[in-house]
Amino acid sequence: GQNIDQPTEMTATEGAIVQINCTYQTSGFNGLFWYQQHAGEAPTFLSYNVLDGLEEKGRFSSFLSRSKGYSYLLLKELQMKDSASYLCAVTDSNYQLIWGAGTKLIIKP
Amino acid sequence: DVKVTQSSRYLVKRTGEKVFLECVQDMDHENMFWYRQDPGLGLRLIYFSYDVKMKEKGDIPEGYSVSREKKERFSLILESASTNQTSMYLCASSPSGGNSYEQYFGPGTRLTVT
Repeated sequence: GQNIDQPTEMTATEGAIVQINCTYQTSGFNGLFWYQQHAGEAPTFLSYNVLDGLEEKGRFSSFLSRSKGYSYLLLKELQMKDSASYLCAVTDSNYQLIWGAGTKLIIKP
Repeated sequence: DVKVTQSSRYLVKRTGEKVFLECVQDMDHENMFWYRQDPGLGLRLIYFSYDVKMKEKGDIPEGYSVSREKKERFSLILESASTNQTSMYLCASSPSGGNSYEQYFGPGTRLTVT
């Protein structure tokens, strides 16, 4: 079956760095997305990786290793507003999007 | 500014009622999707549509139907609501090209069936 694994919850301190991991087992691979979802709100797009390596976008970076079925989202200089759930999603060989359950990130002052 | 709107943020219905959830996007996107989101589970795809009057079943279509009469509007119908359909329902849209493009989500409808 198809599966995406993310930690359920993580806690970090304001100003610090946190890495949220995502591992996947899917039938083929056509790209990996990260979305941010604040409580009670809609998910919003953060990043898309289709090739191996690191994509940097301001305080957020996303890394992909296709051979390992692994990605991470790196958040630097954490702010209180970064408290949210972070969703990992993979497009499989049939271009179907498979979603992880999300990681709830709690930022403490 | 891209926008996906949903007809209600909160909805309370009784078991057995027919429920309509409306979604409208103003980005001229070909693809539209309906998901439900429950605690501890990922987003689960109910139905999607790649074109007007076209629909495809997702992972959990049972108990639901959809309608797409116009490009900008995608409706989700619960034929006879049941308590296990209490959930957050999210609509999304994306440009054509399969799932290689980001999806834009509406604010969600929290449906409670009593």
